[in-house]
Formats: sequence, C-alpha cells, structure tokens
Amino acid sequence: DIQMTQSPSSVSASVGDRVTITCRASQGLAGWLAWYQQKPGKAPELLIFAASSLHSGVPSRFSGSGSGTDFTLTINSLQPEDFATYYCQQAKSFSLTFGGGTKVEIK
Amino acid sequence: QLVESGGGVVQPGRSLRLSCAASGFSFRLYGMHWVRQAPGKGLEWVAAISYDGSKKYYADSVKGRFTISRDNSKNTLYVQMNSLRAEDTAVYSCAKDISGSTLDNYFDYWGQGTLVTVSS
Repeated sequence: DIQMTQSPSSVSASVGDRVTITCRASQGLAGWLAWYQQKPGKAPELLIFAASSLHSGVPSRFSGSGSGTDFTLTINSLQPEDFATYYCQQAKSFSLTFGGGTKVEIK
Repeated sequence: QLVESGGGVVQPGRSLRLSCAASGFSFRLYGMHWVRQAPGKGLEWVAAISYDGSKKYYADSVKGRFTISRDNSKNTLYVQMNSLRAEDTAVYSCAKDISGSTLDNYFDYWGQGTLVTVSS
C-alpha cells in the first residue's frame, strides 16, 4: 500500500494567516491526490482533486500543488470557518489511503 | 444526498449490513465507496464498487470479511460486514466517486455516516 505522511500534525494560526500543509507519498502518484476538510461531527468535504484542481464551490483561497511524491495544500488569508482538520488522500491505486490529518487551530 | 443506515452495537464475530440511500444524482452512473473513521481517529477507505457493480475493491483490513454491492434499481449501496472485530468500530460513510463510468477515486459527496460498535 502507498503510505501518506502529512505534516505538521497540527498548526496554530490566526485569521488572515497563510497556512501550508504538506503531504508525502511513499510512491509516486503523478497527480493523483486529493485534499479534504473535516469539521467536528461533520462529513469530510472535497477541496482539491488531481493535486491542483479546485472542487466546485470551494473558495479560491485554497490551492494545491505538487506531483510525484510531494504535495502541498495552501490556505491564503485563513478565515474563521477554515479551522478544521485537513486530510490528503492518494487516488492512484487500491488500497486508497489517507494521510494522518492536520488540525488547524486558532492561535 | 447520501443517507446511511443499519449501524448499531454488535458482538464480535457477528454480521451487519449497512445501506446507503442515494438521491439527487444519477446513482447508476457513478462509482461508490465506503470510508470509515474510528472514534477520534483519521479516515480509512474500506471498499469501492464501479457504477455497474462489475468491479469491486477492498482494503486489506476487510478483505474476505466485507462485501460491497449495489442495487441501481433502488439507488442504494450496501456493505455486508461479517466476522466483525472490535477494530471495525467506526462511523461508516458512503461517498460518491467524482467520475462517472470510471473510478477516479476522489470522493465529491459524502453521507453523514452510521456508527458501528463491535463489543461484547
């Protein structure tokens, strides 16, 4: 199975900050990577697919980049509703796998 | 909309079948997935099925014990879970694949999930 390693596991930030989350795959994914946001008690929501494509309805302050084994999710100008846990997920091969999650907390 | 049902408390070694009722999109055209989340833990993909049910894939942790299926005439996805273990305790959610006709393995819509607790 492809292992997904996210960092950091948590980050404290203020409204207006830029936040960067990284995800590293144990094997090359080309661009087969997604990012999800999950708020407590809620289902995850797709933010980014194919490494850099913004899902419909997702604010443009979210962006994704990378290919191969190293990927990044960037949140520009953090908003109050962005405090949540973020997961990366490889979509290249079965078994599909997720990163361990990054919790974005209020500083 | 995706609405799961069938969760509950079950003893180790017993079976349970979960359902996911889909509405608001052409269910028969899309691949579907089950994803679970143990209490306080991260996300774990469980199984996938192609739009027509001809292709099925499983996580190693459930292979041989879980069976994914679908009934396109009823717009419903299922997972039959046998030989349940304590480590299967989780919220089970169904998720729609973003792509029709193929499995692109991106989950663009999720249900709220149903809790399965395996305990004696």
